[in-house]
Amino acid sequence: DVKVTQSSRYLVKRTGEKVFLECVQDMDHENMFWYRQDPGLGLRLIYFSYDVKMKEKGDIPEGYSVSREKKERFSLILESASTNQTSMYLCASSITGLDTQYFGPGTRLTVL
Amino acid sequence: KNEVEQSPQNLTAQEGEFITINCSYSVGISALHWLQQHPGGGIVSLFMLSSGKKKHGRLIATINIQEKHSSLHITASHPRDSAVYICAVNTGANSKLTFGKGITLSVRP
Repeated sequence: DVKVTQSSRYLVKRTGEKVFLECVQDMDHENMFWYRQDPGLGLRLIYFSYDVKMKEKGDIPEGYSVSREKKERFSLILESASTNQTSMYLCASSITGLDTQYFGPGTRLTVL
Repeated sequence: KNEVEQSPQNLTAQEGEFITINCSYSVGISALHWLQQHPGGGIVSLFMLSSGKKKHGRLIATINIQEKHSSLHITASHPRDSAVYICAVNTGANSKLTFGKGITLSVRP
């Protein structure tokens, strides 16, 4: 079974802090994704990566950056956290192209 | 830009009922996904389809490409089916998904 893990289930940070969210998949998937999920807005794509060191902006990349130094690991970075970044963050991976995406359990981030 | 609309927004059913959840999209797609999210839980992919019909246990997903519409059916519903059901589409050759806002289903015993 594919396993996608995220570094924390719950995280509380202060405004202005630098925040790292980590995602690891164990199935050698090419593609990895970061989403945020907010009530009434659904899932929105922040960034995705289709290969090591490759990244593409999603629909809402502002205020975020990503890093993919190894195939299995995809990190989301909030350079200077703000209260409007309080959200559920979900990581996903897929083998390639149009395949099924496998999601991690999510990290609920609160920025005070 | 592709819009993905789901209906109804919220749905309550009695255990044992046949349930239909709908999804409509506005432009051509390469694939459509149905996802399930339990309260406090992660998201699980139920189906990925680009034509016709797929069945898994009590769940059936259909898609009509010409009408840009898909349905997810649940037969003999059970309280454990209570979850948010999300429709998402691929619109190109890449793996980016556009999501609907999801439908909250509550099945009462």
